[in-house]
Amino acid sequence: QVQLRESGPGLVKPSETLTLTCSVSNASMSGSYWSWIRQPPGKGLEWIGYIYHTGNTEKTNYNPSLESRVTMSRDTSKNQFSLQMTSLTAADTAVYYCVRLRAGGFDYWGQGTLVSVSS
Amino acid sequence: SYELTQPPSVSVSPGQTARITCSGDALPRQYGYWYQQKPGQAPVVVISKDIERPSGIPQRFSGSSSGTTLTLTISGVQAEDEADYYCQSADDSGTYWVFGGGTRLTVL
Repeated sequence: QVQLRESGPGLVKPSETLTLTCSVSNASMSGSYWSWIRQPPGKGLEWIGYIYHTGNTEKTNYNPSLESRVTMSRDTSKNQFSLQMTSLTAADTAVYYCVRLRAGGFDYWGQGTLVSVSS
Repeated sequence: SYELTQPPSVSVSPGQTARITCSGDALPRQYGYWYQQKPGQAPVVVISKDIERPSGIPQRFSGSSSGTTLTLTISGVQAEDEADYYCQSADDSGTYWVFGGGTRLTVL
């Protein structure tokens, strides 16, 4: 079955940029929507955005509340996609999940990676 | 921005029926999903497209939709069902995805 695994720094300083990578196994990235979702400690889930590509077409879509700070990209040769988030603050401390979006819902989730923003 | 509204908590005794609601203006036009999340774990989808139960999810989990309200029903609640439950859907344009605030189910 589809497996996703997040990787990246566990600690980032305020104002810095976070880069997370998701490695996808047992599925082709082409033709599917791949998302990031985050969850601050003790709080609810927040959709960050998705990236989609097929052939020469690539599309990204971001949560309007985060759009100015977020960029998603992909490396299909490695079957990976990435999240870049700039100007981090303590409010960005959360568990970040990479997820597959299908038919309007999120069917496969990574285990999540905790990112703490602190000096 | 679009919001989905859930009760913060629901409590039931073992063997009883738990019902968790989710309200949102676009729900008549967009599918809803339900996720179960246990401490320290990633969410797991328990209901897809309002009423579909994915493979491996116990039959005691069911979903329904009426107007602007989704409902997750757990019949014959077991201790292992104690968890946080989140509804999820899209805005009216189908462009953005949102989650409800979550409902903590406590099995007394």
